[in-house]
Amino acid sequence: SQTIHQWPATLVQPVGSPLSLECTVEGTSNPNLYWYRQAAGRGLQLLFYSVGIGQISSEVPQNLSASRPQDRQFILSSKKLLLSDSGFYLCAWSVRLAAGELFFGEGSRLTVL
Amino acid sequence: KQEVTQIPAALSVPEGENLVLNCSFTDSAIYNLQWFRQDPGKGLTSLLLIQSSQREQTSGRLNASLDKSSGRSTLYIAASQPGDSATYLCAVGYYSGAGSYQLTFGKGTKLSVIP
Repeated sequence: SQTIHQWPATLVQPVGSPLSLECTVEGTSNPNLYWYRQAAGRGLQLLFYSVGIGQISSEVPQNLSASRPQDRQFILSSKKLLLSDSGFYLCAWSVRLAAGELFFGEGSRLTVL
Repeated sequence: KQEVTQIPAALSVPEGENLVLNCSFTDSAIYNLQWFRQDPGKGLTSLLLIQSSQREQTSGRLNASLDKSSGRSTLYIAASQPGDSATYLCAVGYYSGAGSYQLTFGKGTKLSVIP
């Protein structure tokens, strides 16, 4: 069966510090991968999606970036965090080339102080 | 731009009651619609996926319907239990102008089932 892992689960970082959140998927190949952010009082916002290694599309201009160094690994990064980057970050996957169900990880809670 | 609205934002019901959660979307050109459950501080769990050609999907005590022409979906929960307490999210799947498949989410309905 397929599983998706995210880490770290919680993170407290000062403004201006770097960020790296990781997501890996097991039990499937060539998945579509997604990063979403859920801020308090707001819906889920799509940040990045990827249909293959090295292929990243950004939905929202921001100081975040994403990379996909391996087929089942998706990384969310920032060189300098802002207060507004605080939120709950969720990684998701779906079967490639099929507009089907999205399956989410357990999320990473980021607090920027 | 696709917008998804969920009403009510919060709902409290006594245990055993049947209930309906509502979801509406502005653009009927959708590919599918997905209902999720989110427990506090946790990720999203997929409950039901309805393709645009379908009218409804059922899983256990859950039944989701889709009326694409009117831009509405409902999630029906039968015989509610305290364990059903969670936030329920509706998400509409569609292809963007760039040809990529995306989901737009509503803000959710927070359900509390009182024992």
